[in-house]
Amino acid sequence: EAGVTQFPSHSVIEKGQTVTLRCDPISGHDNLYWYRRVMGKEIKFLLHFVKESKQDESGMPNNRFLAERTGGTYSTLKVQPAELEDSGVYFCASSPPVGTSRTDTQYFGPGTRLTVL
Amino acid sequence: AQSVSQHNHHVILSEAASLELGCNYSYGGTVNLFWYVQYPGQHLQLLLKYFSGDPLVKGIKGFEAEFIKSKFSFNLRKPSVQWSDTAEYFCAAIPGGTSGTYKYIFGTGTRLKVLA
Repeated sequence: EAGVTQFPSHSVIEKGQTVTLRCDPISGHDNLYWYRRVMGKEIKFLLHFVKESKQDESGMPNNRFLAERTGGTYSTLKVQPAELEDSGVYFCASSPPVGTSRTDTQYFGPGTRLTVL
Repeated sequence: AQSVSQHNHHVILSEAASLELGCNYSYGGTVNLFWYVQYPGQHLQLLLKYFSGDPLVKGIKGFEAEFIKSKFSFNLRKPSVQWSDTAEYFCAAIPGGTSGTYKYIFGTGTRLKVLA
């Protein structure tokens, strides 16, 4: 079974530019999560998709961040325009559908390291 | 606000030493608890989890954790560490009653370095 994949692994952009991060969850996982870790801090929740619907986006920092999951498969997280404080590692995770015994266990991707100069 | 605290940010041990990493959470109700590990260059992997039942949970690679409700703690232990345990360890919680969103609340992580 393929794990969660994320692309790119690293991205270096200048302030004001746009970056789009992609996450491919494990096949069959309805739940998809985005998290972010700013250097030295804890990993923080950004949002949660159930299939293509946003279940919880309470962690999104501001309206410069836009997440989509068209068709309920892969997801993208766009930052436009990027600011210096957006630098960090962006993790994606997925979990099986609600009603299965492993819903609460999330499987993480390798992360995308974003550097905004 | 709900939070998870990991008080040890950096730990250095010699091989064969015993390990205990602290984790405390701030939620008073039902809570699901996890320990994840991130080895250098790899993704976060689940070590163990507690949902209910026996408060002593055994995970992979010889790790275990004990849920102590009265202390709001879920400390990770290993009796004898190996050089290959060098990694960053994260404690995480899902507070109960989240109405269908299972978002994790993470601690800040503990970097463990094991000296050969």
